[in-house]
Amino acid sequence: DAGVIQSPRHEVTEMGQEVTLRCKPISGHNSLFWYRQTMMRGLELLIYFNNNVPIDDSGMPEDRFSAKMPNASFSTLKIQPSEPRDSAVYFCASSFTGETQYFGPGTRLTVL
Amino acid sequence: AQSVTQPDIHITVSEGASLELRCNYSYGATPYLFWYVQSPGQGLQLLLKYFSGDTLVQGIKGFEAEFKRSQSSFNLRKPSVHWSDAAEYFCAVGANTDKLIFGTGTRLQVFP
Repeated sequence: DAGVIQSPRHEVTEMGQEVTLRCKPISGHNSLFWYRQTMMRGLELLIYFNNNVPIDDSGMPEDRFSAKMPNASFSTLKIQPSEPRDSAVYFCASSFTGETQYFGPGTRLTVL
Repeated sequence: AQSVTQPDIHITVSEGASLELRCNYSYGATPYLFWYVQSPGQGLQLLLKYFSGDTLVQGIKGFEAEFKRSQSSFNLRKPSVHWSDAAEYFCAVGANTDKLIFGTGTRLQVFP
């Protein structure tokens, strides 16, 4: 079993650029979660999907952030334009409804 | 407001010693409770979870946790720590398995 796959693992970009983070959930899972981890704020849930539909996006910091899940095997988190304060580790997790969340290895984003 | 408190930011123990990591929560009803572990550069791995039933829960890697409703606590324990247990440990709470609130984490250091 491949687990949750995230790409890229590391991203360095300049302020103002668009950043797209990608996630492939575990096959068969129908819930997908995007988290952000920083030293200051810890681990925060940004948004989660169930059956490809966004259920709760109350954690999305502002309009610069958007997330999509066009099908059951792929999701993206986009930041446009990026800012230095967006620097963090972004995790994707997936689960079968009502079951344990399994986390990917994360994408470390640095915005210069 | 719902919250999770991990009062110990950093704990150091000797290999072979016992371990207890504290977790207190504030929640309106009996929550779902989780402990996750994060090794450097890795995603979070579930150690154990409590939904209902027996208040002493066994997890992977020899860990256990006890749910104490009267104290709003869910402390993690291990009778004998191994050097490979050095990592960061997160307690999490939720109304279900979806929208989890994570504590700020406890970093465990193990001395030989």
